[in-house]
Amino acid sequence: EPEVTQTPSHQVTQMGQEVILRCVPISNHLYFYWYRQILGQKVEFLVSFYNNEISEKSEIFDDQFSVERPDGSNFTLKIRSTKLEDSAMYFCASIRGARPEAFFGQGTRLTVV
Amino acid sequence: KQEVTQIPAALSVPEGENLVLNCSFTDSAIYNLQWFRQDPGKGLTSLLLIQSSQREQTSGRLNASLDKSSGRSTLYIAASQPGDSATYLCAVKTGANNLFFGTGTRLTVIP
Repeated sequence: EPEVTQTPSHQVTQMGQEVILRCVPISNHLYFYWYRQILGQKVEFLVSFYNNEISEKSEIFDDQFSVERPDGSNFTLKIRSTKLEDSAMYFCASIRGARPEAFFGQGTRLTVV
Repeated sequence: KQEVTQIPAALSVPEGENLVLNCSFTDSAIYNLQWFRQDPGKGLTSLLLIQSSQREQTSGRLNASLDKSSGRSTLYIAASQPGDSATYLCAVKTGANNLFFGTGTRLTVIP
């Protein structure tokens, strides 16, 4: 069964460093998303991406964040200068379009030290 | 802003029992509602999706209902098993192109 895959599963980085989280959405899906979940808190929306551009973003998604779909398969989230409060589980999700069911990856646990 | 709440926050039941998890949302203008399962430290597995025009969806031992006008959904799990132990999340999609998640219910099924 097709699935959303995320790499790495766990990343530790020093405060101020740049990180890139990678996702491979399901191949025939059209809408792509990043969410995050700080330990013990709700899953929160960061950004949605459609037709090679951002369609919506939350207040969390400030200038230190960016997304890219550099080729036909990968979808990346870049955090330019990480802060301690960026430590969280980051989830990528995709939706086909015709069917509205969202499919999530296994997540990348980001730890900023 | 849409707020999604789930009650109870945690639930512990003996194996074999039927149970109901509750989800409420403040803005009834939703497109759909989706139930997910999350195992500790893992991703989200989609269980059921209910469109705004539907009243319920079933998959195996799971049945989800939706009452859009009152802003409520329930997830019914029949004949619970230890493997059902996980956190269950509901999420609603509104006019914005994203999901609003609830706080989750942590379910423990005791063998």
